[in-house]
Amino acid sequence: GQSLEQPSEVTAVEGAIVQINCTYQTSGFYGLSWYQQHDGGAPTFLSYNALDGLEETGRFSSFLSRSDSYGYLLLQELQMKDSASYFCAVRADHTGGFKTIFGAGTRLFVKA
Amino acid sequence: DSGVTQTPKHLITATGQRVTLRCSPRSGDLSVYWYQQSLDQGLQFLIHYYNGEERAKGNILERFSAQQFPDLHSELNLSSLELGDSALYFCASSVEREVSGNTIYFGEGSWLTVV
Repeated sequence: GQSLEQPSEVTAVEGAIVQINCTYQTSGFYGLSWYQQHDGGAPTFLSYNALDGLEETGRFSSFLSRSDSYGYLLLQELQMKDSASYFCAVRADHTGGFKTIFGAGTRLFVKA
Repeated sequence: DSGVTQTPKHLITATGQRVTLRCSPRSGDLSVYWYQQSLDQGLQFLIHYYNGEERAKGNILERFSAQQFPDLHSELNLSSLELGDSALYFCASSVEREVSGNTIYFGEGSWLTVV
């Protein structure tokens, strides 16, 4: 089966940098995604890493190490609106298709 | 607006009843996914359809079933409902089923409350 681990909560101050880690166990791994979800809202796609290394998109960056089964989401210049839950998700091969399995999410609290 | 439409937005029903949740994917997307999110929980993968065919199944109860129709809309049927089935049910869609890229677009969800 698949499993993902990420911290349940992270707190940081406005303007700071925060890193949310994700470790996973799965067979047939294809890639790691990150999604943001505000309370009561739908998850929205942030990034996807299929290869090792760092992907940068504005204030957000995502990193993957396939050999370590590990990735992280880096948020820079934190803003109050970044307070949300962040989910890592593994895309893995499944007989005849693909599954995208989400972690339990990390609640990020940004303080003034 | 992701372009994924789910109805109804809210639903209250009694235990033992059956409900159907409906999803229209983004225009051009062939894949539809269903996820369940209970209070303060992560997203539990239920099932994935691609162009009308079931492609992958997750932790979907036998009381639940889904299908994707020729026009690509999908329905999730929940029967013999229990209190624990109360959750937010998300439908999501994506254009491809291949390895390259993995952007999944989520609908706003259907809030199901079983009383």
